Amino acid sequence: GEDVEQSLFLSVREGDSSVINCTYTDSSSTYLYWYKQEPGAGLQLLTYIFSNMDMKQDQRLTVLLNKKDKHLSLRIADTQTGDSAIYFCAESPPSGGSYIPTFGRGTSLIVHP
Amino acid sequence: DTGVSQDPRHKITKRGQNVTFRCDPISEHNRLYWYRQTLGQGPEFLTYFQNEAQLEKSRLLSDRFSAERPKGSFSTLEIQRTEQGDSAMYLCASGWGQGELDTQYFGPGTRLTVL
Repeated sequence: GEDVEQSLFLSVREGDSSVINCTYTDSSSTYLYWYKQEPGAGLQLLTYIFSNMDMKQDQRLTVLLNKKDKHLSLRIADTQTGDSAIYFCAESPPSGGSYIPTFGRGTSLIVHP
Repeated sequence: DTGVSQDPRHKITKRGQNVTFRCDPISEHNRLYWYRQTLGQGPEFLTYFQNEAQLEKSRLLSDRFSAERPKGSFSTLEIQRTEQGDSAMYLCASGWGQGELDTQYFGPGTRLTVL
């Protein structure tokens, strides 16, 4: 995951907004993804954004994409304790006709009551 | 369909033994992926199938690792002559992929411990 970088930890108070940032290196990725992993579980797809878009909103989630800077962010509005988890961003650039997903190391979101 | 399932959930083995893991994808999905995840890291891609064809296997960690997906349904991942460094969580994911959009649904994983 060295091609996709994320900060490792984020701590917020319940009810505040959380912003998780990610930088990626391969501008040929057509889609970029955010996944959530709760303890002891597999990853759950949260949302994705097409590379020609700047923003995508889905209920409490807002994804911002700055393609020039290869920067992706996930904003969670009104963060709840149930949002505590590890969040992974991922790119999936073409590679010889296949699409090889590359995940970051994940950002641990801790939500305090 | 309740999602992607993996079996076993936990496996403890001695160094040098062979292990095999099974993944049952969501039935209508045509793509199936295997990943390895170690503590503090994101999933590391190993291989994937589109239907029964294994389209990418160059990322398998060594020739001790192999995967199959007979008939394009369930898949198995085998590790031969296990080493302590193989201890990790092995994740399977499936998806209905066409072209560049690649949304994946993950199973709960198989945690391997090699003693």
